[in-house]
Amino acid sequence: DAGVIQSPRHEVTEMGQEVTLRCKPISGHDYLFWYRQTMMRGLELLIYFNNNVPIDDSGMPEDRFSAKMPNASFSTLKIQPSEPRDSAVYFCASRPGVTGNTIYFGEGSWLTVV
Amino acid sequence: GQQLNQSPQSMFIQEGEDVSMNCTSSSIFNTWLWYKQDPGEGPVLLIALYKAGELTSNGRLTAQFGITRKDSFLNISASIPSDVGIYFCAGQTEGSQGNLIFGKGTKLSVKP
Repeated sequence: DAGVIQSPRHEVTEMGQEVTLRCKPISGHDYLFWYRQTMMRGLELLIYFNNNVPIDDSGMPEDRFSAKMPNASFSTLKIQPSEPRDSAVYFCASRPGVTGNTIYFGEGSWLTVV
Repeated sequence: GQQLNQSPQSMFIQEGEDVSMNCTSSSIFNTWLWYKQDPGEGPVLLIALYKAGELTSNGRLTAQFGITRKDSFLNISASIPSDVGIYFCAGQTEGSQGNLIFGKGTKLSVKP
């Protein structure tokens, strides 16, 4: 079975540019999560969706960050404009349900903003 | 907000040694999970625990869901070089809508 698929795996961009990260969750999973990982702060939840609806976006750093989930098989995380402090690994993860189930991670998108 | 305290932050051990790490919380959890992250990869689930007192093994790994429901530990027996990585605990509280809270990780280094 295919796992969570993220793209791009690596991106280097200049400050001020728009960055779009993409995610395809595991088929049939109701929940989709976006996490950011840095050395200083570890894994931070940015936003998560249930049945394509955003449930909690309190972890989104600021208005430069936005996330969408237009359908059950696709989500994007957009940063506009990007800044060097946004450099991090961004993970997408999905989960089949609430009780007795676990979160499955993609391989991550490694973002460097110069 | 809710936090998980994971310790130790890092460990340097000799191949063949046993390893123990743990997580504690101020909140009661109904699920505890342990993940491992290899360099350049996403976290991968090792063990899932759903009941207080539950003790579960996965090969050389053993994890327990604490009786108080506020803690969990992970043991690795007879460590090998491929055990190197970052180990994360994660938990879910009752009433949460599916999100997990993650510890900051334990970085394990194994010397051959």
